[in-house]
Amino acid sequence: EAQVTQNPRYLITVTGKKLTVTCSQNMNHEYMSWYRQDPGLGLRQIYYSMNVEVTDKGDVPEGYKVSRKEKRNFPLILESPSPNQTSLYFCASSVTGLGGFSGNTIYFGEGSWLTVV
Amino acid sequence: AQKITQTQPGMFVQEKEAVTLDCTYDTSDPSYGLFWYKQPSSGEMIFLIYQGSYDQQNATEGRYSLNFQKARKSANLVISASQLGDSAMYFCAMRDSGSFQKLVFGTGTRLLVSP
Repeated sequence: EAQVTQNPRYLITVTGKKLTVTCSQNMNHEYMSWYRQDPGLGLRQIYYSMNVEVTDKGDVPEGYKVSRKEKRNFPLILESPSPNQTSLYFCASSVTGLGGFSGNTIYFGEGSWLTVV
Repeated sequence: AQKITQTQPGMFVQEKEAVTLDCTYDTSDPSYGLFWYKQPSSGEMIFLIYQGSYDQQNATEGRYSLNFQKARKSANLVISASQLGDSAMYFCAMRDSGSFQKLVFGTGTRLLVSP
């Protein structure tokens, strides 16, 4: 079954304590990305990766890091979390390229609810 | 820059009735795709329907259809015969060939279906 798996699904942490949200996909997709969702703002892209060792900033990258050492994994790292990073986070994967715009080629994980106190 | 606008923060509909959720978009790229997602209270993003800019016909998927008016840059979602389980947040999103690496989302519309 095609899947994007995120962990943890729920986390409450304290300001400044480094944390990593993992994301793994089993579809051999080249492209992966992270979004955060905040009330009234919809989803906004944090970082994306076009392939192994190729990453770039999205619209709201401040306070986050990513890495892409393997094709299947794309962890999101919060080095020093702050309360304004309290949000719902989504990992997504899809086929890269201008072709293949079919809607169901974009797969989302189930979301990770993160609270920073 | 690409932009998606959903002007309805909330909508109410009675069970079995049809409802239209509005979405307008802005892009200068002739090649783009429009998506609708459903987000129930559990949080996951569920893909509903997709419309490509070059598609000749409006997309349909079961009870979901997309009223695509290219000249007006609108892509409204129509849900027919609403069910209680349709109560959720709905997001319109777009990806174009100039920024194919991301989806641009609207702010969402919360739909409540009453018995």
